Formats: sequence, structure tokens, C-alpha cells
Amino acid sequence: AQTVTQSQPEMSVQEAETVTLSCTYDTSENNYYLFWYKQPPSRQMILVIRQEAYKQQNATENRFSVNFQKAAKSFSLKISDSQLGDTAMYFCAFMKHYPYNNNDMRFGAGTRLTVKP
Amino acid sequence: GAVVSQHPSRVICKSGTSVKIECRSLDFQATTMFWYRQFPKQSLMLMATSNEGSKATYEQGVEKDKFLINHASLTLSTLTVTSAHPEDSSFYICSAPVGNTNYGYTFGSGTRLTVV
Repeated sequence: AQTVTQSQPEMSVQEAETVTLSCTYDTSENNYYLFWYKQPPSRQMILVIRQEAYKQQNATENRFSVNFQKAAKSFSLKISDSQLGDTAMYFCAFMKHYPYNNNDMRFGAGTRLTVKP
Repeated sequence: GAVVSQHPSRVICKSGTSVKIECRSLDFQATTMFWYRQFPKQSLMLMATSNEGSKATYEQGVEKDKFLINHASLTLSTLTVTSAHPEDSSFYICSAPVGNTNYGYTFGSGTRLTVV
């Protein structure tokens, strides 16, 4: 079974600064996907960034980037130039590659990020 | 983009009654729907996976007779909480894969159930 661990229940950062959220996972799979989702107070889950395990290059999406270390099974999220709107709960998630379209996501416990003005 | 419409967003019901939560896929066909439960300040826990035209698959520890899931069409999946009790109060979220799973899944906006 796959497990996802987020060891930081809460974090805070000053506006415009950079923060890194940690995530580790455990799996015996070789091909899989990793995601970071954001859940603001509205509770709507919003995809922040995704990473394909067979790609060595770290994914980036504007101010968001990941540090994917496959051997260490680590998948951290870096938020640069933090904005007040980044305040939310962040979940790291794992999904197997096979079979297609029928794999559930497994989530970590989440990290509550607060961006301070 | 693809949207999963979830209703109701909030519901309060009395103990012993049943509540139905609907998730509709808009502009795409959802052959699979995942149902999650989220307690306050906690993570999303997978309850069950529904597939159109077949029986749902439940996670260990989830009572299939209490949480009835129906996926009768490619655009609609429902979760019915039967004989609800206060401990069933929670936030329920559905999600579905859209196209290539490489893009992750799209989530409904969630339903906050309160059983009094």
C-alpha cells in the first residue's frame, strides 16, 4: 500500500518570501504520479502542480516548483514570492500509473500554510 | 475545464434519516468516481470507488450498507448516507479522472453533512 507523509502540520511565511513544504511517500511502484493540491477555506480542491515519476526534471508552475527525489521518495513544494492568496491547506498526493483512469489518489495529512502580510 | 458539480453543498438532517449527495460530471463522461470523506482539519480519506454500471468498491472499514453508492450513468454518481448518525457528520468530496490521468482528477466542491 502507498502512504504519503507530510510532517509539517502548520507553517507560516511572510508575504513575498519563499516557503518549502515537505512530503515523503512510500511505494513499491516504479511509475506513478505525484501531486500537490491546495484547499483554501472554500474547501474546493485545486491542483497546484503534478510530477510524473519517470521524468527526472522537476515540475514548475509559475511561482510553484517541486524538488522530486525519486530515490529518497521525497516530493517537496516550493512557493516563491508568497501571496496572501496562497493561504490554504496543502495536500501531497500519490497516484499509481496503472491501470489508467481507475487509480485513486492517496493523500498526506496536509500542511496548513499561512501567509502573513 | 472539466467540472464536477456536487450538491448539496450543505445539509443538515436528523438522526435516522437518509441523505443523498450527487456528483455530476459536466462536459465529460465520468466512468469512475471516487468518494472521499474529510474530518475537520484532517486529510481526505478514500471511502469508495464507483464505476458506471457496476458495484462500487469500498475501502476497508467503510460500511457499504450505510454508504450506498450508485453510478447509474456516465455523468452521475450518488452517495446516500442511510440512517445517519451524528458520527456521520463530515465533509464529503467526490472526484473523477478527466481524460489523461496525467492531469490528475477534478474534484467536486464538497458537501458538509451535519447530523443532529
